[in-house]
Amino acid sequence: VQLVQSESELRQPGASVKVSCQTFGYVFSSFAIHWVRQAPGHGLEWMGRLNTYNGSPTYAPGFTGRFVFSLDNSGITTYLEISTLRPDDTAVYYCVREGAFGNSNISADMDVWGQGTTVSVFS
Amino acid sequence: QTGLTQPPSVSKDLRQTATLACTGSSDNVGVHGAAWLQHLRGLPPKLLSYRNNSRPSGVSQRYTASRSGNRAYLTITGLRPEDEGDYYCQTWDTTVRAHVFGGGTRLTVL
Repeated sequence: VQLVQSESELRQPGASVKVSCQTFGYVFSSFAIHWVRQAPGHGLEWMGRLNTYNGSPTYAPGFTGRFVFSLDNSGITTYLEISTLRPDDTAVYYCVREGAFGNSNISADMDVWGQGTTVSVFS
Repeated sequence: QTGLTQPPSVSKDLRQTATLACTGSSDNVGVHGAAWLQHLRGLPPKLLSYRNNSRPSGVSQRYTASRSGNRAYLTITGLRPEDEGDYYCQTWDTTVRAHVFGGGTRLTVL
């Protein structure tokens, strides 16, 4: 099982960015994908989760509005898009697989992590 | 989001045992337990222990998780230089309905 994320991105404030997370080694639609952020000098912060079976997103408090989780028709890739970027969006963003089969339990352990994508926002 | 509390740093000698603590509440650790993650420099976080204290396949038996009430613990025996890094506890919080993390403990092996 492997989650492979897109490369680092550099953006100016006000722009948008789309981070991808490609999955390998299991049936994509059987396990939800979570997103976790780590800002410089800070710990890990849960952003929310995408049901990979029906595409339904759940956003954590503080990650509504400018953050969108989505999936594509390839059946193995999810995306995190952040719009109207601000300098405090500078962080490493991780996708993480939910450990419970069937997209059935948002509170389940998260087991496999992607390698992380660094998004840097500066003018 | 309601966070979990971890000491910022722990230092232990090579080959000794380190016990890392994580304090939560009856809304999170007390009811759901805590998972433990190892975050080594330049690598993504790695799950060391599920919330039920079992280890994922391939994780060394040197790592043992436990819980007492609202506190969770990760014990690392036979410390090695490669154990140096950040360790996070994580669980689900029933009240805020979110996954929450501790601030992390930086382990230094002397």
